[in-house]
Amino acid sequence: EPEVTQTPSHQVTQMGQEVILRCVPISNHLYFYWYRQILGQKVEFLVSFYNNEISEKSEIFDDQFSVERPDGSNFTLKIRSTKLEDSAMYFCASSEQGLLNIQYFGAGTRLSVL
Amino acid sequence: GQQVMQIPQYQHVQEGEDFTTYCNSSTTLSNIQWYKQRPGGHPVFLIQLVKSGEVKKQKRLTFQFGEAKKNSSLHITATQTTDVGTYFCAGTDSWGKFQFGAGTQVVVTP
Repeated sequence: EPEVTQTPSHQVTQMGQEVILRCVPISNHLYFYWYRQILGQKVEFLVSFYNNEISEKSEIFDDQFSVERPDGSNFTLKIRSTKLEDSAMYFCASSEQGLLNIQYFGAGTRLSVL
Repeated sequence: GQQVMQIPQYQHVQEGEDFTTYCNSSTTLSNIQWYKQRPGGHPVFLIQLVKSGEVKKQKRLTFQFGEAKKNSSLHITATQTTDVGTYFCAGTDSWGKFQFGAGTQVVVTP
């Protein structure tokens, strides 16, 4: 069964450093998403991406965040100048159509900011 | 803004018992989705409801979308240990804003 893959599974970084989280969505999907889940809390929507541009973003997705589809398969989330409170699990998801469609989640990247 | 709330936050169930978790939105939703996240895992899609009053069943799970499309429920009968996890509802409002509820964490004791 096709799946969304995320790398790395765990990323440790120093506060103030930049990190790039990588995702390979399911190949025929057109919509891509990033979510954040702080330990023990709910899944929070960050951003959705379609046709090479951001289609929706939440209040959390401020100027320190950016997304990119650098080639035909990868979808990345960049966090500039990480803060301690950025420590969380970051999930990538993809769907064939938009938010009214099933989203398939990757296993996540655990980001630890020290 | 849109708020999606789930109750209870925590549900402790004896194996074999039934329970229900509820999802309430402050605004009318275009759809409601339910996901299950096992401990240490990622959200996995269970079901989507679109129509007012819609009811869907998956084996021991029954999902319902309210008539006003502002609330939903998930009812599990004869709970098994495999039902352990956190159940999230997620909805899209009429402006296209998508939000997960805080989840109901389910613990099952044999």
